[in-house]
Amino acid sequence: EIVMTQSPATLSVSPGERATLSCRASQSVSSDLAWYQQKPGQAPRLLIYAASTRATAIPARFSGSGSGTEFTLTISSLQSEDFAVYYCQQYNNWPPLTFGGGTKVEIK
Amino acid sequence: EVQLVESGGGLVKPGGSLRLSCAASGFIFSTYSMNWVRQAPGKGLEWVSYISSSSSFIYYADSLKGRFTISRDNAKNSLYLQMDSLRADDTAVYYCARDRVPVAANDALDIWGQGTMVTVSS
Repeated sequence: EIVMTQSPATLSVSPGERATLSCRASQSVSSDLAWYQQKPGQAPRLLIYAASTRATAIPARFSGSGSGTEFTLTISSLQSEDFAVYYCQQYNNWPPLTFGGGTKVEIK
Repeated sequence: EVQLVESGGGLVKPGGSLRLSCAASGFIFSTYSMNWVRQAPGKGLEWVSYISSSSSFIYYADSLKGRFTISRDNAKNSLYLQMDSLRADDTAVYYCARDRVPVAANDALDIWGQGTMVTVSS
């Protein structure tokens, strides 16, 4: 099973600042990596797939990069609606599909 | 509008059973693989099960040890999860989620339902 590790667990950022979230896979997942955003009481929302492709209707301030075992989600200028928990997920070597433990982006 | 709506959650005693349903609309359900993903209170996301578009391929998380059964009825645009021998650690919100690309073997999950809460407690 591929283990996904996200860091940091919590990221404190001021509105308008840049946020950088990391995700590491225990073995290569190529570019089969997705990022999701989840707000309290809501279902996850797909942000990025194939490591760097924005999903439908996702703002350009969200960008993904990386391949193999190291991945990054960058939010270029945090808006109030971006404070949430973010999860990475690999779909290269499965079952099982595996998720990272999440990074909570909170207001500084 | 593309939509998934779960139902069937509730309170059940340890050892009991529950059947979750997921109603799909706004897309050609029969062409997409589907998944169940759960989230225990205050915890992260855990993949539970996958079923291919024609039910030819079915997979489960090892932790379930044969207690859960996924199925689908393409004529009714519906996905199901039969959960037996429920335990306290099965307590979670259960989401159904669609694979992004039709017919593909593996992909991101692009459409999620709102979730249904399952509580296992005596």
